[in-house]
Amino acid sequence: EAQVTQNPRYLITVTGKKLTVTCSQNMNHEYMSWYRQDPGLGLRQIYYSMNVEVTDKGDVPEGYKVSRKEKRNFPLILESPSPNQTSLYFCASSQGTRGTDTQYFGPGTRLTVL
Amino acid sequence: GENVEQHPSTLSVQEGDSAVIKCTYSDSASNYFPWYKQELGKRPQLIIDIRSNVGEKKDQRIAVTLNKTAKHFSLHITETQPEDSAVYFCAASGANAGGTSYGKLTFGQGTILTVHP
Repeated sequence: EAQVTQNPRYLITVTGKKLTVTCSQNMNHEYMSWYRQDPGLGLRQIYYSMNVEVTDKGDVPEGYKVSRKEKRNFPLILESPSPNQTSLYFCASSQGTRGTDTQYFGPGTRLTVL
Repeated sequence: GENVEQHPSTLSVQEGDSAVIKCTYSDSASNYFPWYKQELGKRPQLIIDIRSNVGEKKDQRIAVTLNKTAKHFSLHITETQPEDSAVYFCAASGANAGGTSYGKLTFGQGTILTVHP
């Protein structure tokens, strides 16, 4: 089944404790992206990747890191989480390199930073 | 960078009525404008998209129009049904901060559509 998976789905952590949210797609897509969703603010892009080893900042990259060492995986790293990073996070992938086609979203990861 | 404004933030209609959601964007070089629907507790899903070389696109009860001169695009849903109730997001593709590549996708703030039976 073609899909985007994220792990964990739910996470409660404390300020400053490094964490990684994994994202994997099995559709051989070129483009992958991370978004955070907050009430009243919609979806905001954190980072995107147009290809392996190619990543770029979205609208809200501060406090996050990403890497794209393999085509299928695009982990999101919070090196020192803070309470303002409490949010619902979505990973997405799309076939083309520029993200200008259907983005398939993962199920979401709800993160709480205490 | 790209800025996308979406209105209204909430929209309530009676079943069978039409619903219109509007978005404006700032980057005149943006060339791709998708619309996503997110049902409660679910992930966003693409419902329709339009590219800058097209002025209008229709898919059954859903249509999108694009006015490049005015830099705005709209989602039109006709004959609304209760299952259309969801949050709708518009988005526009844009350049990265340095203007060296296009891959950034900026979303609007979302519209909560409620269709009353």
